[in-house]
Amino acid sequence: KAGVTQTPRYLIKTRGQQVTLSCSPISGHRSVSWYQQTPGQGLQFLFEYFSETQRNKGNFPGRFSGRQFSNSRSEMNVSTLELGDSALYLCASSLAWGGYGYTFGSGTRLTVV
Amino acid sequence: QKEVEQDPGPLSVPEGAIVSLNCTYSNSAFQYFMWYRQYSRKGPELLMYTYSSGNKEDGRFTAQVDKSSKYISLFIRDSQPSDSATYLCAPREEAGGTSYGKLTFGQGTILTVHP
Repeated sequence: KAGVTQTPRYLIKTRGQQVTLSCSPISGHRSVSWYQQTPGQGLQFLFEYFSETQRNKGNFPGRFSGRQFSNSRSEMNVSTLELGDSALYLCASSLAWGGYGYTFGSGTRLTVV
Repeated sequence: QKEVEQDPGPLSVPEGAIVSLNCTYSNSAFQYFMWYRQYSRKGPELLMYTYSSGNKEDGRFTAQVDKSSKYISLFIRDSQPSDSATYLCAPREEAGGTSYGKLTFGQGTILTVHP
């Protein structure tokens, strides 16, 4: 079956712009989590959505937001981009909230210039 | 201090060696302990998970958790060049915890197995 699909794979944006990243979970998975991966900080939790509701949020500024649609697809948005937002953004899906069987996508590589 | 500490390595071993990867953590609420493997330009993939203290074996991989010392280990026997990747420990709270659902990743250990 198809895995977690993230689009686009690569993105270059200018400081101050905003960006929207998309994630399509594995069919039947209802929970979607987002993580930011950087060489300095590693993988850091952004937020998790289940049944269109945000269930948990990491320690990121309000410029980072997300949502989940009724078909479980999710988007995350970053407004007023900063150079430090350059990172690999990973989406993971699971059957249920807090499931241990998270499957990750290959990520979106965002570069802010 | 980070909640999960993991030696980033890099670790280089010959093919066939036994590899030991370790993490320490500080949050007593962690009850599930996952190990992920990440190849270059890919997302992490779940290798194994254990619940609470104890051992779990899956083929060449063995995961150990010692909650009394807050120490997590992953052992790889008969290591292969295809095991070359970054290994990440990721503990998680149990249902009802304030951060339920959130994986707290270690920094990751870069492993190279050379032929």
